[in-house]
Amino acid sequence: VQLQESGPGLVKPSQTLSLTCTVSGDSISSGDCYWNWIRQLPGKGLEWIGYIFHTGSSYYNPSLKGRVSMSIDTSKGEFSLRLTSVTAADTAVYYCARDDLTGTFDYWGLGAPVTVSS
Amino acid sequence: DIQMTQSPSSLSTSIGDRVTITCRASQSININLNWYQQKPGKAPKLLIQAASDLQAGVPSRFSGSGFGTDFTLSISSLQPEDFATYFCQQSFSTAYTFGQGTKLEMK
Repeated sequence: VQLQESGPGLVKPSQTLSLTCTVSGDSISSGDCYWNWIRQLPGKGLEWIGYIFHTGSSYYNPSLKGRVSMSIDTSKGEFSLRLTSVTAADTAVYYCARDDLTGTFDYWGLGAPVTVSS
Repeated sequence: DIQMTQSPSSLSTSIGDRVTITCRASQSININLNWYQQKPGKAPKLLIQAASDLQAGVPSRFSGSGFGTDFTLSISSLQPEDFATYFCQQSFSTAYTFGQGTKLEMK
């Protein structure tokens, strides 16, 4: 299973961060896993952002206060993240990861660094 | 949210040492605790799930234990490739949370 993030590496403050994760080697429609976004803030630990299921149902970290949304396109084998009203505090490496329905992240993408700056 | 606290935050160690890292949850999480290894510039790699289940391909020098709020990750005899940062993560309830990490450094 391979996951690969893609998207802009630089986003201006107050704008929307958009990333896509392309999945290969596994069916994104399989229904035996959740598809997650996790970020790593500079010099800090890891923060779980949320997950989406193949049906489109999703769950987000309440700490992100409604700024997050995710979507999935099973025909393309990809899922996406949108984070609105970004600030410098959203600067991080963003990872997509598979979770085996137990909250265990068994496959990760390589990570996409995103900087929020004008 | 369930808070995860790791100790120590860093550890100076030598090849062949036995290393123990602890992780404490702010409430009981049964055995819903995972351990990851992260090397610089790389994504985290799952080592152990459900507190003690070693992932396929992970060397047997790694082991995990614990239940409830207190957990440990042990490396029986440290190898050069084990110098990395280790994170615990609770999978008991969403929002999933991680410990702040323990960095193993060469003494």
